[in-house]
Amino acid sequence: GAVVSQHPSRVICKSGTSVKIECRSLDFQATTMFWYRQFPKQSLMLMATSNEGSKATYEQGVEKDKFLINHASLTLSTLTVTSAHPEDSSFYICSARDIRTGPGTDTQYFGPGTRLTVL
Amino acid sequence: GNSVTQMEGPVTLSEEAFLTINCTYTATGYPSLFWYVQYPGEGLQLLLKATKADDKGSNKGFEATYRKETTSFHLEKGSVQVSDSAVYFCALTGTASKLTFGTGTRLQVTL
Repeated sequence: GAVVSQHPSRVICKSGTSVKIECRSLDFQATTMFWYRQFPKQSLMLMATSNEGSKATYEQGVEKDKFLINHASLTLSTLTVTSAHPEDSSFYICSARDIRTGPGTDTQYFGPGTRLTVL
Repeated sequence: GNSVTQMEGPVTLSEEAFLTINCTYTATGYPSLFWYVQYPGEGLQLLLKATKADDKGSNKGFEATYRKETTSFHLEKGSVQVSDSAVYFCALTGTASKLTFGTGTRLQVTL
């Protein structure tokens, strides 16, 4: 089946530093990847849509200069949390849509998530 | 905007009990509806989906029927197992295949 990995699974950093999270599709190519944020006991909130070779599309209220997204290849998207602060602590999840499925096909494959803690 | 409301958990059941997790939605147009499951330490996995009214999605003994008249997509299973213990998310897609999730319902099945 389609597998998506994330690295790291957990990260603890000091306030003011930047953290990069990687999302990889392991056995398929993904033109589109999505980044979500999940707070405890809350639903996943879509942050941005990442398209290979183009700029990410951010959801309303998400600071694009704070959450930098790069989708440089068909199997890798990265999310960099810049100048992280304690309020950025959260569970970040990515998903990927298989290139072989056409537009309007809705199946997304999810990574296991990254727990970010900012001290 | 789109929204999904699902019952709060945790839901605790004995093995072989009947499961219902309620899910209702608000959306414009004709969304596709999904149930995702997240086992401990793993990513979300698609459990089942339905793309139009009256469709029934089914997988691994779970079922859900797309009810447009009640804007619902309740998840059911006739006999749960300990291995079904997980968090279940109801979701829908709007434009550009963006998923809107419910808050998730934790299911704990005991022997």
